[in-house]
Amino acid sequence: AQSVTQLGSHVSVSEGALVLLRCNYSSSVPPYLFWYVQYPNQGLQLLLKYTSAATLVKGINGFEAEFKKSETSFHLTKPSAHMSDAAEYFCAVSETTGANSKLTFGKGITLSVRP
Amino acid sequence: NAGVMQNPRHLVRRRGQEARLRCSPMKGHSHVYWYRQLPEEGLKFMVYLQKENIIDESGMPKERFSAEFPKEGPSILRIQQVVRGDSAAYFCASSPYNLGNTEAFFGQGTRLTVV
Repeated sequence: AQSVTQLGSHVSVSEGALVLLRCNYSSSVPPYLFWYVQYPNQGLQLLLKYTSAATLVKGINGFEAEFKKSETSFHLTKPSAHMSDAAEYFCAVSETTGANSKLTFGKGITLSVRP
Repeated sequence: NAGVMQNPRHLVRRRGQEARLRCSPMKGHSHVYWYRQLPEEGLKFMVYLQKENIIDESGMPKERFSAEFPKEGPSILRIQQVVRGDSAAYFCASSPYNLGNTEAFFGQGTRLTVV
């Protein structure tokens, strides 16, 4: 079975600082990887996805992530944090076996942005 | 195109009552997934359904929980004889195809409180 590890539960950065949220995965097959964002009392919104095309994936709101097979990582970055980026971020891997498919999520990381 | 619609957004039930959570997928989507979110635990997969079929229910508790996705109408997650431990946010997601290389679109969730 595939799994996702998001180390730490909380990251705090200053407005304008670099955002780096880490994600490592385990998968026996080439994975499809996703980052979702959740604002308070809301559902999940897709930030970006990796589906075996370019290893550097650009998403919405200035976020990007790089797939590194050798490190089994898919870290999320943004050069300059904005107050509106404060939310919970989930990394997920898509697991497909025949007709069966589902997303397996990490535990999530809460991002706080200090003024 | 309306997004994934879940209702109710908030549901309060007394212990022993039944909870019925509804999910209308996006237009054209025939794949539905239910997830449960507990604080500090991320999203846990519960069940994957296609029209009239349960594909994977490996994440469903063996008792009291059931799910359906009829030919007509929304998908329903049913919890019988609710207990306090069922209090959580329940999210539904839909996709047009198997998740092999496509994303899942999430609803805003139903927050169940058992009192």
